[in-house]
Amino acid sequence: EAGVTQFPSHSVIEKGQTVTLRCDPISGHDNLYWYRRVMGKEIKFLLHFVKESKQDESGMPNNRFLAERTGGTYSTLKVQPAELEDSGVYFCASKRGNKPYEQYFGPGTRLTVT
Amino acid sequence: EDQVTQSPEALRLQEGESSSLNCSYTVSGLRGLFWYRQDPGKGPEFLFTLYSAGEEKEKERLKATLTKKESFLHITAPKPEDSATYLCAVQAGNQGGKLIFGQGTELSVKP
Repeated sequence: EAGVTQFPSHSVIEKGQTVTLRCDPISGHDNLYWYRRVMGKEIKFLLHFVKESKQDESGMPNNRFLAERTGGTYSTLKVQPAELEDSGVYFCASKRGNKPYEQYFGPGTRLTVT
Repeated sequence: EDQVTQSPEALRLQEGESSSLNCSYTVSGLRGLFWYRQDPGKGPEFLFTLYSAGEEKEKERLKATLTKKESFLHITAPKPEDSATYLCAVQAGNQGGKLIFGQGTELSVKP
């Protein structure tokens, strides 16, 4: 069974530019999560999809971040326009069902905004 | 406020020297406590889920335990390949499915 995949693995952009991150969850996992780890801090929750619906987006920092999951399969996270403080590693995770089962994480996308 | 604190921040062991990592938590209605291992440049890799106080899980040289306030990850006779950052996370009863992470313990095992 293929794991969670993320693309790209690294992205370096200038302040003010736009970047789109992609996550492909494990097949059959209805739940998809985005997390972020900024330098020196713990991994923090951004948002949660159940199929194509946003279940919880309480962790999204501001309206420069837009997440979508059209068709309930892969998800994208767009940052527009990017700011310096958006630099960090963005992780995607997926989980089956609505019980507190474990979440499986992708390798992350390292975003650097210069 | 739901919170997870891990200690120590870093731990250096000699190969074969057993030790424990601590994860203290305050959460409204614990639904699950999770341990992950993270290697540099990779995503967190799932190790254990614990659901209720008194529960224990084992895998090779690792054993996780849970009380009402904290969890321990015991490492018995570690090997250099056990070197990694170990992350603890909780899922609260009123927080949907999101995980609240601690900052992690960076473990280094020297031969």
